Amino acid sequence: GAVVSQHPSWVICKSGTSVKIECRSLDFQATTMFWYRQFPKQSLMLMATSNEGSKATYEQGVEKDKFLINHASLTLSTLTVTSAHPEDSSFYICSARDGTSGETQYFGPGTRLLVL
Amino acid sequence: DQQVKQNSPSLSVQEGRISILNCDYTNSMFDYFLWYKKYPAEGPTFLISISSIKDKNEDGRFTVFLNKSAKHLSLHIVPSQPGDSAVYFCAASGGDSWGKLQFGAGTQVVVTP
Repeated sequence: GAVVSQHPSWVICKSGTSVKIECRSLDFQATTMFWYRQFPKQSLMLMATSNEGSKATYEQGVEKDKFLINHASLTLSTLTVTSAHPEDSSFYICSARDGTSGETQYFGPGTRLLVL
Repeated sequence: DQQVKQNSPSLSVQEGRISILNCDYTNSMFDYFLWYKKYPAEGPTFLISISSIKDKNEDGRFTVFLNKSAKHLSLHIVPSQPGDSAVYFCAASGGDSWGKLQFGAGTQVVVTP
């Protein structure tokens, strides 16, 4: 149980284009989903928290107009990196919480983004 | 300000021996702690958690100990296996971070034959 998928697993795009990453909870309903990014040899940095049907809450320093988050259903959240630039290249990971396992978050496999 | 600290960036242990990973935190409002394991280019995998009302939780080869007075927790893996080679992250939530996880920097564990 508690499986979270992400798509795509990796993406290469040109600078200036937008990239959409999907996060799905496969066997549970995720009341809350989280988006993280991880740079090489660093810890996971929380970008934003999204609750189904409401606007995402962004962490300090994260541009909400650049990283658009939509959590339209209890099993799907999307992160769109708009007008991507090389400095946005990173490993993006989503997680989901089902509301019955306390604060435990279950993570997706991550999406590696390379912006040329 | 890093509220969860893993001061050992790496740990090497022989197969079959015990691996002990340490984690310190500064926020006394944290009341839930978790350990995750992560392989390169993959998402973290949940291992074990502990609530602040307990001081020990055990699941198979994994045991987490919590010392609230010292604001310290540790993960014991016994016996260590080659497949345990990964980066281990400590995480905490509670207080101002209720609903979110604060992660430590991670400890790279290498299990040698």
